[in-house]
Amino acid sequence: EVQLVQSGAEVKKPGESLKISCKGSGYSFTSYWIGWVRQMPGKGLEWMGIIYPGDSDTRYSPSFQGQVTISADKSISTAYLQWSSLKASDTAMYYCVRQGPEAVDYWGQGTLVTVSS
Amino acid sequence: EIVLTQSPGTLSLSPGERATLSCRASQSVSSSYLAWYQQKPGQAPRLLIYGASSRATGIPDRFSGSGSGTDFTLTISRLEPEDFAVYYCQQYGSSPNTFGQGTRLEIK
Repeated sequence: EVQLVQSGAEVKKPGESLKISCKGSGYSFTSYWIGWVRQMPGKGLEWMGIIYPGDSDTRYSPSFQGQVTISADKSISTAYLQWSSLKASDTAMYYCVRQGPEAVDYWGQGTLVTVSS
Repeated sequence: EIVLTQSPGTLSLSPGERATLSCRASQSVSSSYLAWYQQKPGQAPRLLIYGASSRATGIPDRFSGSGSGTDFTLTISRLEPEDFAVYYCQQYGSSPNTFGQGTRLEIK
């Protein structure tokens, strides 16, 4: 069974750093792209970027380039999304997703990030 | 980047009725790499349609997708109570992938 299991909810202060994770199982982790999607409270889905764990090819949406870093450790089948300095506007649910030729076919359960002083 | 515009923003219908949701792209979507997702409150989205018209595994046949180029449609032939949710289109043929802003399907 394909699963993407994300790390738990986080509460942080503005200016702090954060790294959240997404562990894939039940499939060849290096053969599918892993993407990250943001959903701010009460809002729609926003594509942040994507990584191919097989060779670490990474592509960012222009809105998120320079704001976050996407990485992956194929030895432990885990992808990451990190911030060096959080802002209140980063408060959102973050989903990791598996993308193949048949679009985004699996979603993680989501990680809620709350940034508040 | 390709901008996707969904219409209408909100659609109010009754169970048993037919729903037609539109997704228009700012430029042609490569190889019809257009998908539709359904999201219910408190849940992650789920894939309904990929490749513009192929149903994902386990999706009832009352859901169908059509279109090519810049104009795409999701049709729900006969609404069931569980179909009332928010629907998003996504293009995944050109980097960066992009989503439409969503259509809320509500009970009339």
